[in-house]
Amino acid sequence: DAKTTQPPSMDCAEGRAANLPCNHSTISGNEYVYWYRQIHSQGPQYIIHGLKNNETNEMASLIITEDRKSSTLILPHATLRDTAVYYCIVRVNTGNQFYFGTGTSLTVIP
Amino acid sequence: GAVVSQHPSWVICKSGTSVKIECRSLDFQATTMFWYRQFPKQSLMLMATSNEGSKATYEQGVEKDKFLINHASLTLSTLTVTSAHPEDSSFYICSARDRGLGGGPRTRGSYNEQFFGPGTRLTVL
Repeated sequence: DAKTTQPPSMDCAEGRAANLPCNHSTISGNEYVYWYRQIHSQGPQYIIHGLKNNETNEMASLIITEDRKSSTLILPHATLRDTAVYYCIVRVNTGNQFYFGTGTSLTVIP
Repeated sequence: GAVVSQHPSWVICKSGTSVKIECRSLDFQATTMFWYRQFPKQSLMLMATSNEGSKATYEQGVEKDKFLINHASLTLSTLTVTSAHPEDSSFYICSARDRGLGGGPRTRGSYNEQFFGPGTRLTVL
């Protein structure tokens, strides 16, 4: 599975959009981009995933560049409860394991 | 959504004892479950893949005799930390893959969903 690179930490003002970048320059054609988050001392929570098209759900939007070498997770209106570590993972969809990188620690500031 | 539980949520034990952690899929069948370990301020590290009715597959560097995994049913996997030592103190998290009705993989579009438990904090004194 390809590796990902994320900034170690970011701050975002409450109510503003949080844009979390992820680089995955060695991604293969059959690998999906997944985003999970982990609130302190809890298990990871699924957010969103995509292959090449942009995706949106009730939690977030995922923007994948045309060359698929990077993506951005967008939380449209960040709240204090969105403070967490956000993990970007690439994986073939038929694969089993998730290998977590270091993630981005997002702090939403009042 | 699908729920995965872990028991206990927190355990403190003496050095040299063995500790069993349970991972249950509450409302779906999971032929495959995964065990992760997370040290403070670090990311999750995959330890092993647990397959129902067969031996677990361990990641490189994980001692299979130290971390015993049993996946005896479609809803339960257990991790036993044998002869625990203080360096085994960590946050242990399991996840389960939803196989869906009829035994085939549950998909949403082409997504093979995996659900994480709340974690078990192990402190070895």
